[in-house]
Amino acid sequence: DQQVKQNSPSLSVQEGRISILNCDYTNSMFDYFLWYKKYPAEGPTFLISISSIKDKNEDGRFTVFLNKSAKHLSLHIVPSQPGDSAVYFCASVFNKFYFGSGTKLNVKP
Amino acid sequence: GAGVSQSPSNKVTEKGKDVELRCDPISGHTALYWYRQSLGQGLEFLIYFQGNSAPDKSGLPSDRFSAERTGGSVSTLTIQRTQQEDSAVYLCASSAGGGGRETQYFGPGTRLLVL
Repeated sequence: DQQVKQNSPSLSVQEGRISILNCDYTNSMFDYFLWYKKYPAEGPTFLISISSIKDKNEDGRFTVFLNKSAKHLSLHIVPSQPGDSAVYFCASVFNKFYFGSGTKLNVKP
Repeated sequence: GAGVSQSPSNKVTEKGKDVELRCDPISGHTALYWYRQSLGQGLEFLIYFQGNSAPDKSGLPSDRFSAERTGGSVSTLTIQRTQQEDSAVYLCASSAGGGGRETQYFGPGTRLLVL
């Protein structure tokens, strides 16, 4: 029973364009959400987070949007750069972390 | 280095053998987590330590899996009588506290292949 779902296993975007990564969750008790980025042969690294009391959090090129009524969050990267190519995991938190299966982003030069 | 380290980085073993995976968390981090990522899957929670105790072992898939943490630091994940379905990347993470919202810092993982 996967409580956090990333339905797109991969996404390809042209450099300079916007990347939008999506994540859906089922448990309304989740109150904190994070995005992690993972390069091959490395562990995931924290990217950005958002509390359930907010609907948007921005950090440079990265913005996370939270739609609680739809139980949906998204990560926007703009402009996308080739170095952003990685696997992106969303995580939802209620007492512990629940991770999605990841979306592999490829930013083409 | 100041990050989370894991050893070995890669492990190939034969079905039925026992393996031990080690995690060195960031110094001073009281919480330690083990996850598993199978091919094409997300990060599957295994176990969480707060200090040396494990308040949440709910993710351990079977009694062949066990983990311990000593001195509030190093943790060892042991898999007995390994099976081919145990093949995965085993990731360790640590955080400064265990309140659930603390950012977790991950190690590079141990890639386990059971033949």
